[in-house]
Amino acid sequence: SAVISQKPSRDICQRGTSLTIQCQVDSQVTMMFWYRQQPGQSLTLIATANQGSEATYESGFVIDKFPISRPNLTFSTLTVSNLSPEDSSIYLCSVGVYFGPGTRLLVL
Amino acid sequence: SQELEQSPQSLIVQEGKNLTINCTSSKTLYGLYWYKQKYGEGLIFLMMLQKGGEEKSHEKITAKLDEKKQQSSLHITASQPSHAGIYLCGALKHPTGNQFYFGTGTSLTVIP
Repeated sequence: SAVISQKPSRDICQRGTSLTIQCQVDSQVTMMFWYRQQPGQSLTLIATANQGSEATYESGFVIDKFPISRPNLTFSTLTVSNLSPEDSSIYLCSVGVYFGPGTRLLVL
Repeated sequence: SQELEQSPQSLIVQEGKNLTINCTSSKTLYGLYWYKQKYGEGLIFLMMLQKGGEEKSHEKITAKLDEKKQQSSLHITASQPSHAGIYLCGALKHPTGNQFYFGTGTSLTVIP
């Protein structure tokens, strides 16, 4: 199994600002995944973060809004840019079948 | 339309009762995964089913996969308040890789 931690666990941000979410895994992995869970909804895959290459985004998600970094095999960041209230969600990173505890974002 | 439909959407049961949650796919399944989510928190991996007819159990939770019908069921025996949460089924987008799409979720409340 993988132990995944995320920072911050929650945040409240103002409209127009950005939030960077960190994901740390306790072992080296090739692929990490970022998901969004909007209020009352299921999870939706945002992108796949591969170490050493550009992230691969799913339909409906773009790099300008959700830039991702993957500097090494145990770490990734997801930035949610130019925040609007519609970005209020839980953001989760994933490795294999395991998920991090999530980052709960509220945009005012 | 949803690729993974779960039923029921919500369930309220008395402690000690048995219950079943269903997950039906509109696409070919490359493995079916069950998760539990405490409200507002991350996902806890419960079990993975890969072959038609496969059945797995963990404590009082049993999951089965009917590959022909493209559906899975999760059965909880003698429910406890600790079973409360949202149950999600997930499936792989592709035969390889670990990108998931998820069902609509079933909210379970267990009344002591």
